[in-house]
Amino acid sequence: DAGVIQSPRHEVTEMGQEVTLRCKPISGHDYLFWYRQTMMRGLELLIYFNNNVPIDDSGMPEDRFSAKMPNASFSTLKIQPSEPRDSAVYFCASSLSTGELFFGEGSRLTVL
Amino acid sequence: GENVEQHPSTLSVQEGDSAVIKCTYSDSASNYFPWYKQELGKRPQLIIDIRSNVGEKKDQRIAVTLNKTAKHFSLHITETQPEDSAVYFCAASSGGSNYKLTFGKGTLLTVNP
Repeated sequence: DAGVIQSPRHEVTEMGQEVTLRCKPISGHDYLFWYRQTMMRGLELLIYFNNNVPIDDSGMPEDRFSAKMPNASFSTLKIQPSEPRDSAVYFCASSLSTGELFFGEGSRLTVL
Repeated sequence: GENVEQHPSTLSVQEGDSAVIKCTYSDSASNYFPWYKQELGKRPQLIIDIRSNVGEKKDQRIAVTLNKTAKHFSLHITETQPEDSAVYFCAASSGGSNYKLTFGKGTLLTVNP
């Protein structure tokens, strides 16, 4: 398996623009997570899904953030409108019920 | 919610020495405690984990200890090597779930040759 695949790897955009980050989890994994990593706040859980259903979105910062998982092999994290403080590395991870997280390589977002 | 404190934030050791990183957590219902290693510019990867029914777990040069009464757990790396240099994160489950992890802020370990 190729592991968790994220795109784009790097995104530079201007404040106010819409940003969409994409994730393909490892086949067979039934949990999918979106994390955000910054120097100041570390690794923060934004939302996670089980069998494509959102279970906990209490970490989503505000209404500008939304996440979907239309099927078992694809998820998106959308920020609209983006702000400079959203600049971070966004990681997608998937897992089985054992709990070990398999992270993607991350999407580095810079909002100017 | 869960709060995980990790110390130290940076740690520098000589090759061959041991390194110890400590974490405390607040949620008494936490029952899963993984440790992740993140090399510069890379993704975090699990190196070892422990569950609340176990007090210690070893895997070659790495060991983790858990004290549920005191709500703290530690990572021990023996015979450190330059390739151990990375940021290490502890995490604790919260809300009674294995899946909702709260991470510590990380420890930058530097192993000097």
